[in-house]
Amino acid sequence: NAGVTQTPKFRILKIGQSMTLQCTQDMNHNYMYWYRQDPGMGLKLIYYSVGAGITDKGEVPNGYNVSRSTTEDFPLRLELAAPSQTSVYFCASSPEGPNDEQYFGPGTRLTVT
Amino acid sequence: KNEVEQSPQNLTAQEGEFITINCSYSVGISALHWLQQHPGGGIVSLFMLSSGKKKHGRLIATINIQEKHSSLHITASHPRDSAVYICAVLTGTASKLTFGTGTRLQVTL
Repeated sequence: NAGVTQTPKFRILKIGQSMTLQCTQDMNHNYMYWYRQDPGMGLKLIYYSVGAGITDKGEVPNGYNVSRSTTEDFPLRLELAAPSQTSVYFCASSPEGPNDEQYFGPGTRLTVT
Repeated sequence: KNEVEQSPQNLTAQEGEFITINCSYSVGISALHWLQQHPGGGIVSLFMLSSGKKKHGRLIATINIQEKHSSLHITASHPRDSAVYICAVLTGTASKLTFGTGTRLQVTL
C-alpha cells in the first residue's frame, strides 16, 4: 500500500492564482482531512470528510474548497491565492474518525508571492 | 491560553538518556494522540490513548485524565529519535483534533 499520497511536493504561486492540491489514499478509509502547518503553530484543520460525498469545514476554511467524489481522493482547491496561504499542507486519513489513528501524507510546501 | 500546551519547547539530550515530554490540556477530552514529525517533515502517529499507559518499543505514553496531563517517555534515547513530538487532543463533542505546537527533540552522540 502506498498509504496517503500528495502532489505536488512543492509549489510557488503568484497572488491571485489558483491551484489544486491532490490527496489520495489506498487504505479505504472513510475519514479524510486537510491540515495546514504554519511555523511555530500547531496543525490547523481546514476541511474534513467523513465519506464520499460528505465534507465539512474545519477551523480555517476561508479561501479553500474541497470535494470528495470517491473514497480515495480528497483534493483541496485554493482560489485566488494570498500570501497568508503560504504554509505546509498535510492530508491525512483515518478509518473511523479522529478517535482513531491518523495516517498522514508527506505534505505540500506552498509559497504564495 | 492555548487548549494544548507542550513542554519543553526544545530539548537536547545525549544518547542513552531517558526523555520526558509533557502535554497539558485545559478541557475535557475523549482521546489524546502523540505524533512524531521527522526532520524531513513527515508525520506519523505514535499513540492514541484515553486512559492509563501504552508502550511501544522504547516509547511509553501515559495520561492522567483528572490532572489533564499526558507524558511521552523515550528510554535509551538514540539520535534517530531526533524529531518534533506533537500532542493532539479530541474534545468530547468535537469532530476535530486540537494540536499542540510540538516539542523539538535533538539527541546527540
